[in-house]
Amino acid sequence: QVQLVQSGAEVKKPGASVKVACKVSGYTLTELPLHWVRQAPGKGLEWMGGFDPDRDETFYAQKLQGRVTMTEDTTIATAYVELTSLTSEDTAVFYCAVDTLGIGFFDLWGRGTLVTVSS
Amino acid sequence: EIVLTQSPATLSLSPGEGATLSCRASQPISSAYLCWYQQIPGQAPRLLIYAASTRATGVPARFTGSGSGTDFTLTISSLQPEDFAVYYCQQDYDYPFTFGGGTKVEIK
Repeated sequence: QVQLVQSGAEVKKPGASVKVACKVSGYTLTELPLHWVRQAPGKGLEWMGGFDPDRDETFYAQKLQGRVTMTEDTTIATAYVELTSLTSEDTAVFYCAVDTLGIGFFDLWGRGTLVTVSS
Repeated sequence: EIVLTQSPATLSLSPGEGATLSCRASQPISSAYLCWYQQIPGQAPRLLIYAASTRATGVPARFTGSGSGTDFTLTISSLQPEDFAVYYCQQDYDYPFTFGGGTKVEIK
């Protein structure tokens, strides 16, 4: 059974960076299409980016290009998303999500990590 | 970028009533690449329907997805108390993946 366990809440100042972790158990990380989605308070879902194993490439949302990096540490089965140059508009819950069934959609989600950007 | 427009933004209904939610794409997409999620406040989204019309594991039969091309619909035949939530459509036909703005189904 695949499980996703995310790191705890973060509070950052404007201009800082944040790195959120998503530990995967029950599956081989490199075989999973793992993506990141965020949700600002009271707002909708926003796709940030993710890994496409068929293309062996990571894709990012254009509005975050240059500020976002997604990486993996396969030795500890953990994926990361790092966002730099934070502003108050980056305050959101960050979710990792995976397609475990090969259906092309996210059938398993982490519980979310709240990132608050405030001076 | 494929824009998904959901309507209405809010549906106010009573338990037992039916609900019809719309998701319109800015360009035609294969139905294989359209899904619906349900999100209860404070929780992560839950996959309801994928490939436009296939119910995910454990999803009750009162949820039905349909549509093709640019117009897709999620129908809930008889609202149960646990169905009052926000519903999002999403496409993975092309990068960047995109979500609709959501439809909130609230108790009237």
